[in-house]
Amino acid sequence: KAGVTQTPRYLIKTRGQQVTLSCSPISGHRSVSWYQQTPGQGLQFLFEYFSETQRNKGNFPGRFSGRQFSNSRSEMNVSTLELGDSALYLCASSERGTAHQETQYFGPGTRLLVL
Amino acid sequence: GENVEQHPSTLSVQEGDSAVIKCTYSDSASNYFPWYKQELGKRPQLIIDIRSNVGEKKDQRIAVTLNKTAKHFSLHITETQPEDSAVYFCAASILLGNKLVFGAGTILRVKS
Repeated sequence: KAGVTQTPRYLIKTRGQQVTLSCSPISGHRSVSWYQQTPGQGLQFLFEYFSETQRNKGNFPGRFSGRQFSNSRSEMNVSTLELGDSALYLCASSERGTAHQETQYFGPGTRLLVL
Repeated sequence: GENVEQHPSTLSVQEGDSAVIKCTYSDSASNYFPWYKQELGKRPQLIIDIRSNVGEKKDQRIAVTLNKTAKHFSLHITETQPEDSAVYFCAASILLGNKLVFGAGTILRVKS
């Protein structure tokens, strides 16, 4: 099976702009989680989607949002970009996302630079 | 909420030696503890995980131990090799959903 894919891989934006990142999970996987990785804060959970519904949410401002489509592909959007949003954004997918935790497989990430 | 602390932040070992990385978690409801390895410029990859109903798990040179009473878990790598050099992250999650809370990471350097 093909792994988790993310597009674009690199992105440069300016403050105040908005950005949309895309994640395609492994075929058959229904849960998609998003994480932000920065040198200062490490890996932080943004949100998780399962069956097109947000199931879990981290402690990020409302500028960060996401959605999931019926084919399990997910997008995350960041509005009114700030310099501090510069980070590697990783998505991870798992098969069923049931009560019994499953392995989360990470994509290669989208590196966002905000100038 | 859950908090995961990871030590040490950097670890240098000689090739062939063992490496141990330790993590503590705060939420006693946490019951799943994966370890990820991230090489420079690459995605995190799961190397081993353990669930709360198990005290130890081994996979070749890698083992993880869990002490639920003390709320800590450890990664043990034996016979380290240069290709083990990477950043290692521990994580914890509670029963429902896939929210992983990560430790800050440990940079492991294996010197040949």
